[in-house]
Amino acid sequence: AQSVTQPDIHITVSEGASLELRCNYSYGATPYLFWYVQSPGQGLQLLLKYFSGDTLVQGIKGFEAEFKRSQSSFNLRKPSVHWSDAAEYFCAVGAVNNNDMRFGAGTRLTVKP
Amino acid sequence: EAGVTQFPSHSVIEKGQTVTLRCDPISGHDNLYWYRRVMGKEIKFLLHFVKESKQDESGMPNNRFLAERTGGTYSTLKVQPAELEDSGVYFCASSQETGGGNTIYFGEGSWLTVV
Repeated sequence: AQSVTQPDIHITVSEGASLELRCNYSYGATPYLFWYVQSPGQGLQLLLKYFSGDTLVQGIKGFEAEFKRSQSSFNLRKPSVHWSDAAEYFCAVGAVNNNDMRFGAGTRLTVKP
Repeated sequence: EAGVTQFPSHSVIEKGQTVTLRCDPISGHDNLYWYRRVMGKEIKFLLHFVKESKQDESGMPNNRFLAERTGGTYSTLKVQPAELEDSGVYFCASSQETGGGNTIYFGEGSWLTVV
């Protein structure tokens, strides 16, 4: 079965600084990869997804992620973080033959003024 | 178009009581999923319906949890009797098609606290 690792439990960045959240997956075939964000008191919102094609994926709110098969990674990036980006971010992997997604444990992002 | 809606948004119950969570998927979505996140842990899959049928319930933790989707529309998740370790956020999600490549849309979650 597929699995996801998010190595960083908590990250703090200054507003305006760049951001990279790490995600590593384990799956024997081509994965379907997702990043979701959960703001305080809110549900899960899809930021972006990768199914196939261009390995650099653009999402909402200025986020992007790059699929690197050789590293089994799908890191999320943003060039300039805004205070409103403070939230918890979840990487998830889906598979071709089943329907449930596997989530990482999440990375909590704190943005310093 | 309405998204996935869940009710109640927050619930506080005593250990041993029963709670029923409801989920209304996006209209036309045959696939409905339940996930939960207990305190500080990862979001875990509970089960998956295709219309009214349980496609996969491998994530259901024990027989205190019962999910139904009569008529293939909304779904309920009942916890009876509730235990302290059941506290967490229960997410419902839906998707139009079956298959891992389809986007799954999540509701805002039902936050359950068992005291």
